[in-house]
Amino acid sequence: EADIYQTPRYLVIGTGKKITLECSQTMGHDKMYWYQQDPGMELHLIHYSYGVNSTEKGDLSSESTVSRIRTEHFPLTLESARPSHTSQYLCASNPRGAGADTQYFGPGTRLTVL
Amino acid sequence: AQKITQTQPGMFVQEKEAVTLDCTYDTSDPSYGLFWYKQPSSGEMIFLIYQGSYDQQNATEGRYSLNFQKARKSANLVISASQLGDSAMYFCAMRDSNSGGSNYKLTFGKGTLLTVNP
Repeated sequence: EADIYQTPRYLVIGTGKKITLECSQTMGHDKMYWYQQDPGMELHLIHYSYGVNSTEKGDLSSESTVSRIRTEHFPLTLESARPSHTSQYLCASNPRGAGADTQYFGPGTRLTVL
Repeated sequence: AQKITQTQPGMFVQEKEAVTLDCTYDTSDPSYGLFWYKQPSSGEMIFLIYQGSYDQQNATEGRYSLNFQKARKSANLVISASQLGDSAMYFCAMRDSNSGGSNYKLTFGKGTLLTVNP
């Protein structure tokens, strides 16, 4: 399994603010992902990275951006938050070696934009 | 077309009984992986079980087993001896090779909300 850390767990913020959601893992995993999930709905991939300085957009278009400057850190940024960004954001990574196909998830960040 | 289909928005089961959650998938790739995750009301995604397309045996993990029927493209999750703590959303997901590319991305179904009654 992977220990994936996400902060904050909950965030309530006003429209127009810039926010950064943090995701980190200390296992040296190369592959990391960001998903967006509305309550009771399926997960949609919005960004992924297969290594340092490598980021790609996912299947769902998102106004957020990501960076991967260090292996262990994969932050997601919204330059100007809007109510439509209200959702849960889940970070995940693949371990190396046995079980490398499986994504393990962090606890998520529940974002509310007023 | 939907890659992953979960046709049961909600399911109810009595405590200690077994329950099957349905999942069908669509892919033309010979190499793929199927996953089930549990999401309690707290929101985290918990990995339960994995089945590879070339695996001969159905996957099992404790009270969880995956009924893999390749010809029917189904990967149903069976939970035996349900417990109150099993009440949660359950998501089926698939990783395929994305038509020959190197792909580790998952596609998720819409989920099934399981309620275990005492």
